[in-house]
Amino acid sequence: AQSVSQHNHHVILSEAASLELGCNYSYGGTVNLFWYVQYPGQHLQLLLKYFSGDPLVKGIKGFEAEFIKSKFSFNLRKPSVQWSDTAEYFCAVRWPDMRFGAGTRLTVKP
Amino acid sequence: NAGVTQTPKFQVLKTGQSMTLQCAQDMNHEYMSWYRQDPGMGLRLIHYSVGAGITDQGEVPNGYNVSRSTTEDFPLRLLSAAPSQTSVYFCASSYWKGGDTQYFGPGTRLTVL
Repeated sequence: AQSVSQHNHHVILSEAASLELGCNYSYGGTVNLFWYVQYPGQHLQLLLKYFSGDPLVKGIKGFEAEFIKSKFSFNLRKPSVQWSDTAEYFCAVRWPDMRFGAGTRLTVKP
Repeated sequence: NAGVTQTPKFQVLKTGQSMTLQCAQDMNHEYMSWYRQDPGMGLRLIHYSVGAGITDQGEVPNGYNVSRSTTEDFPLRLLSAAPSQTSVYFCASSYWKGGDTQYFGPGTRLTVL
């Protein structure tokens, strides 16, 4: 079945630590890839997206993601997290409808 | 622009009751969709619409109806609420279906007793 997998349910980091959140999908065709963030009590906001071109995509707030087609992956990274990055992060694939991963809750300790 | 708005923010229903969740957008987006968010399952697509008068089913459509009479509005109807429909519901919109950024509303938290 077509699916989007996020490897970590809950990640706990200290401020200034580096972050990498995994995302794999199982769709075989051309896909559009997204990372969304949901801060506590707020609705989803787009962090970054990949449609085509450079597989390294830069988004808002210092986040970036790398699309590796051979691995069906779209991992999210940030070199140095802040307490304000505490949120839930969702990977999503559009092919042709949107499918979301289960989410990864990130807790950043000050 | 108000973006995507949803009403109500909270709702409690008894099993068997019906209700309509409202969604409106003022960005002239053609594509609108409804998701439900459940713990550990992310967001799942319920129904979507690619324009006024056109709707289609998503991943989990059972128990829900939609209609799209105008570009701005996309209500979601629960015909006979069940406890399994307890969830947070999000409406989203974008200019078009394929590959465009979706903008999400603030959500409606629904509890069915």
